[in-house]
Amino acid sequence: EVQLVESGGGLVQPGGSLRLSCAASAFTFSSYWMSWVRQAPGKGLEWVANIKQDGSEKYYVDSVKGRFTISRDNAKNSLYLQMNSLRVEDTAVYYCARDMDSSLLMDVWGKGTTVTVSS
Amino acid sequence: QSVLTQPPSVSAAPGQKVTISCSGSSSNIENNYVSWYQQLPGTAPKLLIYDNNKRPSGIPDRFSGSKSGASATLGITGLQTGDEADYYCGTWDSSLSSVVFGGGTKLTVL
Repeated sequence: EVQLVESGGGLVQPGGSLRLSCAASAFTFSSYWMSWVRQAPGKGLEWVANIKQDGSEKYYVDSVKGRFTISRDNAKNSLYLQMNSLRVEDTAVYYCARDMDSSLLMDVWGKGTTVTVSS
Repeated sequence: QSVLTQPPSVSAAPGQKVTISCSGSSSNIENNYVSWYQQLPGTAPKLLIYDNNKRPSGIPDRFSGSKSGASATLGITGLQTGDEADYYCGTWDSSLSSVVFGGGTKLTVL
């Protein structure tokens, strides 16, 4: 069964850093674009970033540019999100997702990991 | 404010049909594929429709998608109480070079 499992969430103070990880299984990870999508409490979905199969292209939502970095390790079937200079408004459930080639929209989602930014 | 516009809520009786609209522009919906997602309370989103009108394996044909110009529509027939959820449209925005979602529509099956 295709599976994505996120980890690394937690409570962090404003200005702090956190690194999220996503472990992929049961599909050829290196063949897919991958994304991070977040959902603040009681709010809708917000796409955060995506990365091409070989890591050569990356895109970010404006609100995280310069603070967040998406990366991947195809040998470890893993996706990462390095989050620096965290703000209260970054508080959300962060989902790892596999992207479809035709649209770069997501077809498989993990269960999510919760990030809380608070003093 | 979301780039894509959806109604905040819709409702209908069990067994009835409902449609959810998603309005965008030439930089997103009009020239890119649209996907639709269902999010049940406390769970991750689930893909319902991709490439405007295709259903992944396991999604019943009660769910359908269409697109015309810069707008897309999700249709659900034979409503069931288990369909109560939030529904989101999404697409790529070529001007923003980013994925964009609608604000979500809460479906209530009365």
